[in-house]
Amino acid sequence: ETGVTQSPTHLIKTRGQQVTLRCSSQSGHNTVSWYQQALGQGPQFIFQYYREEENGRGNFPPRFSGLQFPNYSSELNVNALELDDSALYLCASSFRGQEDGYTFGSGTRLTVV
Amino acid sequence: GQSLEQPSEVTAVEGAIVQINCTYQTSGFYGLSWYQQHDGGAPTFLSYNALDGLEETGRFSSFLSRSDSYGYLLLQELQMKDSASYFCAVILSGGYNKLIFGAGTRLAVHP
Repeated sequence: ETGVTQSPTHLIKTRGQQVTLRCSSQSGHNTVSWYQQALGQGPQFIFQYYREEENGRGNFPPRFSGLQFPNYSSELNVNALELDDSALYLCASSFRGQEDGYTFGSGTRLTVV
Repeated sequence: GQSLEQPSEVTAVEGAIVQINCTYQTSGFYGLSWYQQHDGGAPTFLSYNALDGLEETGRFSSFLSRSDSYGYLLLQELQMKDSASYFCAVILSGGYNKLIFGAGTRLAVHP
């Protein structure tokens, strides 16, 4: 089975710009979640998608948005980038109902300058 | 709100046993998970406790006590490759599931 792949691995953007990060879910998984991990901290839940709809969101502003596609791949979009958005963005796929089966990708390191 | 506390750093020697504790303030959760993350890598699932008690997976064991709001990860026969950050995380229930992570414990294994 394939794991979770994310692209790009690294990205540098300027404050105010927009960015799109991509994630391919593990085969057989139907739910994708996105997390933001600041340096030296634990991942923070951004939102979750199931059946192509957002069904849960953490404490992140609306400029963080996402999509899930029929093949369960996903995108995270961030508008009007701020310096504090610099972080590692992790995608995790799972199968709804299997609470112990989260598989994470290696993440996208976003730097906002 | 929900919060999980774990020590920021732990140091041990090869071959030793180390226990990483996790205390939490939350309710309505499915279980407690543990993840390992090497620098620059993906968090990797280690163990999950849905019920109170001990779960053993090779050199790693995890424990949960809901009445004490406490859990721990036990790593035995430590190897250099175990040097990494370890995160406890609760899986919150209610409409959709999400992981709430602690800040992580950085484990350094020395020869």
